[in-house]
Amino acid sequence: ETGVTQTPRHLVMGMTNKKSLKCEQHLGHNAMYWYKQSAKKPLELMFVYSLEERVENNSVPSRFSPECPNSSHLFLHLHTLQPEDSALYLCASSQLHGPYGYTFGSGTRLTVV
Amino acid sequence: DQQVKQNSPSLSVQEGRISILNCDYTNSMFDYFLWYKKYPAEGPTFLISISSIKDKNEDGRFTVFLNKSAKHLSLHIVPSQPGDSAVYFCAASASQTGANNLFFGTGTRLTVIP
Repeated sequence: ETGVTQTPRHLVMGMTNKKSLKCEQHLGHNAMYWYKQSAKKPLELMFVYSLEERVENNSVPSRFSPECPNSSHLFLHLHTLQPEDSALYLCASSQLHGPYGYTFGSGTRLTVV
Repeated sequence: DQQVKQNSPSLSVQEGRISILNCDYTNSMFDYFLWYKKYPAEGPTFLISISSIKDKNEDGRFTVFLNKSAKHLSLHIVPSQPGDSAVYFCAASASQTGANNLFFGTGTRLTVIP
């Protein structure tokens, strides 16, 4: 139990499917993040939520839709993805104002077929 | 534009020897640096950090050195153990911005040979 739990661990979906990734933290943090990790690329920040409000959206395509219903939960809704969206999606949490490190979940390995 | 760079994608070291992982950054506003370790199929885990007011921080076998003038930091692991085999990410943040946004490098895969 890392303090940040992601489900599912693995997901295979077709390009016309709709699915959601879930992230949950019980660390009392007030900021949550979605990162994408593709092969041979740095961790790419997708979304930042602070106090349940989205504060950053790094030009992510609209086929990715985040939701943060409360400070402990974060979702990433997926629809009409492309094969190039296949990657490891990591959720992290932290205190909003640093400097503090992030606590990461184990990630969801997504494969789009 | 990548603000944190790890130019060595991989490194192999004999067990018991020293491992040195390097990281360079371009943003002079960065004042807090971290190293994360990542095993396959797991998320990154925090390893060690250093504030820009220091030039060295040590935690057991792990030491991070910061050279602000060169915008360079390094992670030393000594002695290296097979369990240290993982991908190591360098990260940096600028606390003056008020936000805790971390910028990551591409990682270096360390293999410790028994």
